Amino acid sequence: EAEVAQSPRYKITEKSQAVAFWCDPISGHATLYWYRQILGQGPELLVQFQDESVVDDSQLPKDRFSAERLKGVDSTLKIQPAELGDSAMYLCASSPQTGFAYGYTFGSGTRLTVV
Amino acid sequence: DAKTTQPTSMDCAEGRAANLPCNHSTISGNEYVYWYRQIHSQGPQYIIHGLKNNETNEMASLIITEDRKSSTLILPHATLRDTAVYYCIVANGGSQGNLIFGKGTKLSVKP
Repeated sequence: EAEVAQSPRYKITEKSQAVAFWCDPISGHATLYWYRQILGQGPELLVQFQDESVVDDSQLPKDRFSAERLKGVDSTLKIQPAELGDSAMYLCASSPQTGFAYGYTFGSGTRLTVV
Repeated sequence: DAKTTQPTSMDCAEGRAANLPCNHSTISGNEYVYWYRQIHSQGPQYIIHGLKNNETNEMASLIITEDRKSSTLILPHATLRDTAVYYCIVANGGSQGNLIFGKGTKLSVKP
């Protein structure tokens, strides 16, 4: 079964440092999402891509977060500088097309701890 | 804000049916009910979805009330591996149907 690949699985970084997460969606999936999940909460959408274009980044803290999907395939989410409150699970998901909420496939996430 | 209300937690005995309720009293006519679950340390996994008819697949059954204001996810024979957080999500069935998660229900299946 096809999977969404994410790396690293775990990341510990000091506050004020830069950190990056990588996501490789299922081949052929045009839509890619980054979610953040704080412990005990449901995932919160940060950014949505359709191919290489950003469709929705209204919840992305743009002063420190950036996301790109240059060739419309894999994607990178960056935080610079990291703050203690950024400690969370960062989940990537892909779907064949925008919407159609049954079609999301999630990766296993990157667990970030900021110290 | 999430458009659904779910109990925070539930317990179920192994081998018994698990019935997870969800209230979505403000659902609109073109919105579907979706269920995802998240096993510890994994990403959410799609379970089932429906509009107004009851649905069944290999994982679960979804019962939607006639007025569509509430629904129930049924796991017919719960196993220990079904222990997870279950999310009920209401979303448009078309191009605007992005997933907005609430806090979900923590289901604990006990031996």
